[in-house]
This record gives sequence, structure tokens and C-alpha cells, in this order.
Amino acid sequence: QKEVEQNSGPLSVPEGAIASLNCTYSDRGSQSFFWYRQYSGKSPELIMFIYSNGDKEDGRFTAQLNKASQYVSLLIRDSQPSDSATYLCAGRGTGGGADGLTFGKGTHLIIQP
Amino acid sequence: KAGVTQTPRYLIKTRGQQVTLSCSPISGHRSVSWYQQTPGQGLQFLFEYFSETQRNKGNFPGRFSGRQFSNSRSEMNVSTLELGDSALYLCASSIGPRGVGQPQHFGDGTRLSIL
Repeated sequence: QKEVEQNSGPLSVPEGAIASLNCTYSDRGSQSFFWYRQYSGKSPELIMFIYSNGDKEDGRFTAQLNKASQYVSLLIRDSQPSDSATYLCAGRGTGGGADGLTFGKGTHLIIQP
Repeated sequence: KAGVTQTPRYLIKTRGQQVTLSCSPISGHRSVSWYQQTPGQGLQFLFEYFSETQRNKGNFPGRFSGRQFSNSRSEMNVSTLELGDSALYLCASSIGPRGVGQPQHFGDGTRLSIL
């Protein structure tokens, strides 16, 4: 059973600070990982994806992947109130069978003005 | 560039009925995946289509089925609806079904309510 685990939160961060969101996964066959942001009542929106060990930066967002520890994280620098949302971590393998994205339950992030 | 388009946005059905949901992927995207989102279970993978063929399937009963047309548009059908089928059904498209780093982009979803 492939699992992706996230702390449900809420995670409360002051405006302007760094928000750190974490995710662990059980399937060592997972090759690529995705972070989605979902506002209440809306559909998930892709923030970043990563498939190599290390860091990947895009603007205020940095994704980190450690395959040995089966750990993925998302850092949001200079957090803004508009970043308040649920952040979903997802993993995907490249094998056969049921190989769609496996999602965590999401972390609810609150940026306090 | 137009995003993923799902219709209808909202549906109300009664137990025992069937329903068909539609999804048009982003232009140039040939892979379409369907997901069910509920408060208790979160986002769960239903199935994925590429080149009119189902490539992957999640752990859902046979009442859930789908198909893809030659223009990459996809439909999902749920027969003999149950109360537990009430959920947000999301369609996501990507350029292809596999390969490292193939991101999926979601539509706005169809909210299905079963009375």
C-alpha cells in the first residue's frame, strides 16, 4: 500500500517568515513528487515538482527531496496571507499497475498578518 | 492556453442512478487522470487514460468506469450511485502518462451530491 503522510496542521506562520511543509512516503519506487496548493472550495493547483535528490527553487518556493530518507519538503519564503491554503504532497512511480498520483491528506497552512 | 475543463460543475442525483462526467484536457495533453476527493479520504486515484486506453486503475469498484476519445477528451461514468459516492471528482491532464516529472494539471472539478 503506497502511502504519503503529511501533518494535517494547522500550521500557523507569521507573515514574512519561512513556512516549512513536510511529507514522507512509503513507496521506494516513487520517482517524482509534486506539491499542490488547494484553496477552500477550489481545485489543486500545481506549485512545484521534483524528481532529483536535493533542492529545487522557483521564486519564493523551494522543494527538497531526500530519497534515502523518503522525505519531501516545501519551503515558502517571505510568507504572505495569500499563501494560506492546504498544501498537498503527491508521489508518483514509473511502474505498472495502479500508478496514479498518491496524495497525502494535506497540511493546512495559515499565514498570520 | 485554456486549462482543463470539466462539466458539469455541479450534479445532484439519487441513489441507484448513474452519472457521466466530462473532461477536456489542456490542448496538447494526451493523458487524462480522474480522482475522487472527499473530506475523509482525501484525493484518491481512480484511473488514467492515454491514447484511448486505460493505463492505470485505482482501488475503486467496477461501478466506476471511464473512456477516452481520439481527441483526448475523457468521460467518467458511475453506475448505481451510492450515498458514499458524494464527492468532488477531479480530472487532471498531462502531456503523457509516464516519465519522471510529468506534472498533472487539474480542472475545477465536478461536485456530485447523492440524495
